[in-house]
Amino acid sequence: GAGVSQSPSNKVTEKGKDVELRCDPISGHTALYWYRQSLGQGLEFLIYFQGNSAPDKSGLPSDRFSAERTGGSVSTLTIQRTQQEDSAVYLCASSPPGQSQYFGPGTRLTVL
Amino acid sequence: AQSVTQLDSQVPVFEEAPVELRCNYSSSVSVYLFWYVQYPNQGLQLLLKYLSGSTLVESINGFEAEFNKSQTSFHLRKPSVHISDTAEYFCAGGGHEKLTFGTGTRLTIIP
Repeated sequence: GAGVSQSPSNKVTEKGKDVELRCDPISGHTALYWYRQSLGQGLEFLIYFQGNSAPDKSGLPSDRFSAERTGGSVSTLTIQRTQQEDSAVYLCASSPPGQSQYFGPGTRLTVL
Repeated sequence: AQSVTQLDSQVPVFEEAPVELRCNYSSSVSVYLFWYVQYPNQGLQLLLKYLSGSTLVESINGFEAEFNKSQTSFHLRKPSVHISDTAEYFCAGGGHEKLTFGTGTRLTIIP
C-alpha cells in the first residue's frame, strides 16, 4: 500500500516567485494536513482538511499561503511571492477519521 | 493554546545504555499524546500514542512512554538503545484535527 506522497521532493526558487507543492494522501483518508518544519524548530501546523467541511486555515502564516484539496483527495499548497523565511520542509499528512496521522516525506523548499 | 515542550534538543547515549527523552505538555486541552520518530533522510513515523486507558504505552521496537497527568509529562524511554535508534524524536499533543509538536530531540547513539 502506498503511503502519503509529496512532490517535488526539493524545490529551489527565487524570492518573489510563486510555488506549488503537491500532496497525494493515502487512499480513503478523509483528513489531510499541512505542516512546516523550519531549521531548528518543531513542526508548525498550517492547514487541515476534513472531508467536505470548510478547512481549518488557522495556521497559515500570511495571506501569501493558500491550499486547496480537489475531489477530497490531492491537495496543493501554494505560496505566492515567496520570501527567504519561507524556506523550510513542508510536510503533508493524512488520516482516516479520528485516527493517527501518516506523514509524507516532505518537500524541501529553498528560497534564494 | 496547547503547547508541547521538549527540554533537550540533543541527547547522546552510549549503545546499550538506557535513555529518557523528556516531553511536557500544557494541560489546557484534552490530551492525546504522540511520539513521532524521524530517521535520517526519512519522513516522520508514528512511534506510539496515548489516547486513553492504560497510562503506559509501548512501541514494537522497545520504546515506551508513560502519561503522567499530575506532572503533565509524556516522557519516552528505552532500557537499552541500539545504533539504529539514531533519529530525531518529536513529541506531539492535541486532538486528531491538528497536532502541536515539540521542537524535537536528536538522539545520538555512541558506539
